[in-house]
Amino acid sequence: GENVEQHPSTLSVQEGDSAVIKCTYSDSASNYFPWYKQELGKRPQLIIDIRSNVGEKKDQRIAVTLNKTAKHFSLHITETQPEDSAVYFCAASRNNFNKFYFGSGTKLNVKP
Amino acid sequence: DSGVTQTPKHLITATGQRVTLRCSPRSGDLSVYWYQQSLDQGLQFLIQYYNGEERAKGNILERFSAQQFPDLHSELNLSSLELGDSALYFCASSPVAGASYEQYFGPGTRLTVT
Repeated sequence: GENVEQHPSTLSVQEGDSAVIKCTYSDSASNYFPWYKQELGKRPQLIIDIRSNVGEKKDQRIAVTLNKTAKHFSLHITETQPEDSAVYFCAASRNNFNKFYFGSGTKLNVKP
Repeated sequence: DSGVTQTPKHLITATGQRVTLRCSPRSGDLSVYWYQQSLDQGLQFLIQYYNGEERAKGNILERFSAQQFPDLHSELNLSSLELGDSALYFCASSPVAGASYEQYFGPGTRLTVT
């Protein structure tokens, strides 16, 4: 089955700096890669996703890049703010397989 | 608010007991996924149902079972509970059967086994 690895497990940045979280996946058939943000004690919420037919997607301060050849994708947050502090999870799936495989999570701390 | 509801919010029970967690998906969503999140851990996929039928199984223990009813709500049954079953249990719903679509998570049920 699919194996998703996520790095780093914790990330501390100064407010205004950029943050990058990386994930690798093992199943070359995976074609959907969402990122979820989970604040303490709350539900995971989708912040951005990318499909395998594009290499990059951007939404304001958040962007995701996908390298299908290397089987890795990354989340980029620019101009970080304290409210970006949370745990971020990457995931990989493929349409006909009905399973989401989540990474182990990255705890992002943005220091004011 | 994602539109997915879960009850109860908190559950405290003793080892060896059995509990039932309930999930109502968003209106119109046919797929329900169940996840387990232990303390400071990631999301472990347990099982998925689509329109009443089991579609995919993850790392679900034999002591755990689930079903989806005709009104599309789902229940996760956990039996012979052990201390290690203490976790946050999330359900998520999506409108389609396949996994290449956003999942909307419920608020979770926090299970504590003492």
